[in-house]
Amino acid sequence: QVQLVQSGAEVKKPGASVKVSCKASGYSFISYSLHWVRQAPGQRLEWMGWINAGIGTRKYSQRFQGRGTISSDTSANTAYMELNSLRPEDTAVYYCARVTSAGNFDYWGQGTLVTVSS
Amino acid sequence: IVMTQSPATLSVSPGERVTLSCRASQSVSSNLAWYQQRPGQAPRLLIYDASTRATGIPARFSGSGSGTEFTLTISGLQSEDFAVYYCQQYNNWITFGQGTRLEIK
Repeated sequence: QVQLVQSGAEVKKPGASVKVSCKASGYSFISYSLHWVRQAPGQRLEWMGWINAGIGTRKYSQRFQGRGTISSDTSANTAYMELNSLRPEDTAVYYCARVTSAGNFDYWGQGTLVTVSS
Repeated sequence: IVMTQSPATLSVSPGERVTLSCRASQSVSSNLAWYQQRPGQAPRLLIYDASTRATGIPARFSGSGSGTEFTLTISGLQSEDFAVYYCQQYNNWITFGQGTRLEIK
């Protein structure tokens, strides 16, 4: 069955970087794009960007362009999301999600809590 | 594209029928999905393309609408349906609504 398993919770200081992983199984990793979505406490879901490991394409929302990097390791069926220059307002649960050809998300990782605090 | 959901919170009793609304700031055609999120869990896809139920979703969930106005209807509310519901457009990049919380009356 399709599974997306994310790395564990992180606590970071302002200005630091964080890298969250998302290991896929149960399907062809290179056949689907993986997106990253975050949810700050009490806030709506916020789309960050995506990667298609099969064709090497990645795109970011304007808010994360320049501060976020999405990458993948096809040999490990794993995608990564790295966010730099962390601020307290980056405290959120970060999700990876598989996108269907239609553009919606049919499978989600369990979420990774990133806490940014001095 | 800004997605606006209403109401923010809905208090209903089990067994009732409820309708949740989602409005887009510009047309998203039928490129609209609905998700359910229970506390401490990831969102779960319910409806895509505005009205198509995702695999394994019970028939009591139905979606309708196109353009800028969309609704999610849940008939015969069950205890497991009390959660937060989000709409998402994927016509132009991706944005989500702020959510509607369904709580037990």
